[in-house]
Amino acid sequence: GAVVSQHPSRVICKSGTSVKIECRSLDFQATTMFWYRQFPKQSLMLMATSNEGSKATYEQGVEKDKFLINHASLTLSTLTVTSAHPEDSSFYICSARPTSRTDTQYFGPGTRLTVL
Amino acid sequence: AQSVTQLDSHVSVSEGTPVLLRCNYSSSYSPSLFWYVQHPNKGLQLLLKYTSAATLVKGINGFEAEFKKSETSFHLTKPSAHMSDAAEYFCVVSDRRGSYIPTFGRGTSLIVHP
Repeated sequence: GAVVSQHPSRVICKSGTSVKIECRSLDFQATTMFWYRQFPKQSLMLMATSNEGSKATYEQGVEKDKFLINHASLTLSTLTVTSAHPEDSSFYICSARPTSRTDTQYFGPGTRLTVL
Repeated sequence: AQSVTQLDSHVSVSEGTPVLLRCNYSSSYSPSLFWYVQHPNKGLQLLLKYTSAATLVKGINGFEAEFKKSETSFHLTKPSAHMSDAAEYFCVVSDRRGSYIPTFGRGTSLIVHP
């Protein structure tokens, strides 16, 4: 089956530093990838839609300069949390939509970010 | 716009008894519907999906769901709960008008008592 990986699975950083999270589709090409944020005991909140070779589309209320998204290839999207603060601590999950199946997406295992 | 409502934030059952997790959706176009499970501190695992084929969809771990257009529902069921089923369950809808960007329900926490 289709596999999506995320790296790292867990990261702890100091306030003010930047953190990059990678999302890779391992056995399929994904023109579109999605980035979600999940607070404890809450649902997933869509942050942005990442399209290969073009700018990401951010949801209302999500700061573009804070959460930088790059989708440089058909198998890799990255989310960089810039100048992280404790309130950015969360579970970040990506998903990838196969180029051949627009009605399907596969989720990564998530990245737990803790900002001290 | 598409939307999904999970009617219960928590469902509590005894081991060996049936499970029913309710989901209602709103979609202007033929929707794709999904159920995902999330165990604590883990990612999402797809249980099953409906994409305009058979209305009764069988998934993994004995779960199934029935797409009822007249009721705009896609409830998740399992005949007999197991302790390992305790987790958070998300109903998700996507459709062509929404560019197949998925919309998540708020989630239902399934609690299984021994």
